[in-house]
Parts: sequence; C-alpha cells; structure tokens
Amino acid sequence: DAGVIQSPRHEVTEMGQEVTLRCKPISGHDYLFWYRQTMMRGLELLIYFNNNVPIDDSGMPEDRFSAKMPNASFSTLKIQPSEPRDSAVYFCASSLGLAVALYNEQFFGPGTRLTVL
Amino acid sequence: AQSVTQLGSHVSVSEGALVLLRCNYSSSVPPYLFWYVQYPNQGLQLLLKYTSAATLVKGINGFEAEFKKSETSFHLTKPSAHMSDAAEYFCAVSEGRDDKIIFGKGTRLHILP
Repeated sequence: DAGVIQSPRHEVTEMGQEVTLRCKPISGHDYLFWYRQTMMRGLELLIYFNNNVPIDDSGMPEDRFSAKMPNASFSTLKIQPSEPRDSAVYFCASSLGLAVALYNEQFFGPGTRLTVL
Repeated sequence: AQSVTQLGSHVSVSEGALVLLRCNYSSSVPPYLFWYVQYPNQGLQLLLKYTSAATLVKGINGFEAEFKKSETSFHLTKPSAHMSDAAEYFCAVSEGRDDKIIFGKGTRLHILP
C-alpha cells in the first residue's frame, strides 16, 4: 500500500481564496482524521470520520472550515474564505479503529503545507 | 478531559548519550499512552504505545517508555542517541479503547556530534 496520500504537498494562496486539501486513506481503514499543526498550538485534531460519516468536528475552528468524505477512499478539507492565520501544516491520518481498539495505530500522510498571504 | 504535557520543547543530547524526553498526562480513567515521532517534512509515525499491559514498553529504533501511575508520567528513553534520532517527538493520550487521541505539543530532539 502507498500509505496515506495527501495533495497538494504545498499550497500558497491569497487571503480570501478558497482552499481545498485532499486525502486518500489507506485502503480498508475505517477511520480518517484531519489535523492541523502550528508552532503555537501544536497538533490539533480538527475532525474525524468513521465509515465516511463525520463523528466529531468539535476541533474545526470555525464555519470557514468544512470537511467531507464522499466515499471510503477520498476526503477533502475546505477553507473558504482563507485567512493568514490558517497557515499551517494539515495532516490526514487513517486507522482501522480509534486509539487502541483492535490494537491499531494512526498512519499519517506527509501533510500539506498551507501558506495564506 | 485528558491532556499531556511535554516538558521542554527542545532537547539536545550528544551522540551516544542517554535520551530522556518527558511526558506527564492527566486523565480521569486509566489511560492509553503513545509516543509518536515526526521526521522532517514527514507525517507522524508510532514509536510505541502503552495499553495497560506491561508498564515498560519497548518500541522501534531502541526506544522505550515506562508508565508510572504514581507520577502520572510516561517518559521516553533511549540508552544511546544516534544522529538519525533527530526529530520531533509527540506524547499522546487516549481515555478509552474507542476514544480519540490527544497529542502533546511535541519535543524537538537535537543530536550533537
């Protein structure tokens, strides 16, 4: 398996523009997570899905952020409109289950580095 | 709610020296604890995890961590540092088998030649 795939790897955009980040989880994994990493706040869980259904979106910072998982092999994280404070590295991760259920682990993608000017 | 605190955002050790990265947790129930490593420009990888079995957990790359309930700690150690260990290390906690994982802010490990 190629692991978790994220695209693009780097994104530079201007304030006010719409940004879409994409993720392909590992085949067969039931859970998909979106994280944001910044120097100030560290690694934050934004939202996670189970079998394509959003379970917990309490980490989504505001309504400008939305995430979808239309099928088991694809998810998007959208920011509209984007702001400079959204600049961060966004990670997607997938797993067979939550935490230690099924004694699994989260597999992370390489991340998308977003810069909003 | 559960949380983890990693003491020291940066730690420097000489090659061959002992590595000690500190993590303290807060949890209302017996926790599950994890250490993840992030190499430059990569995502996180699981190093090891504590799941209420043995209190001393061995992970990959020669790392191990000991769960100490009385100290609410889960410190990560390696007897002899290698240059390839330079990375950022994250401690994480979960309160249940079906609960999400909460990550600490990370400790960047620097290896001095």
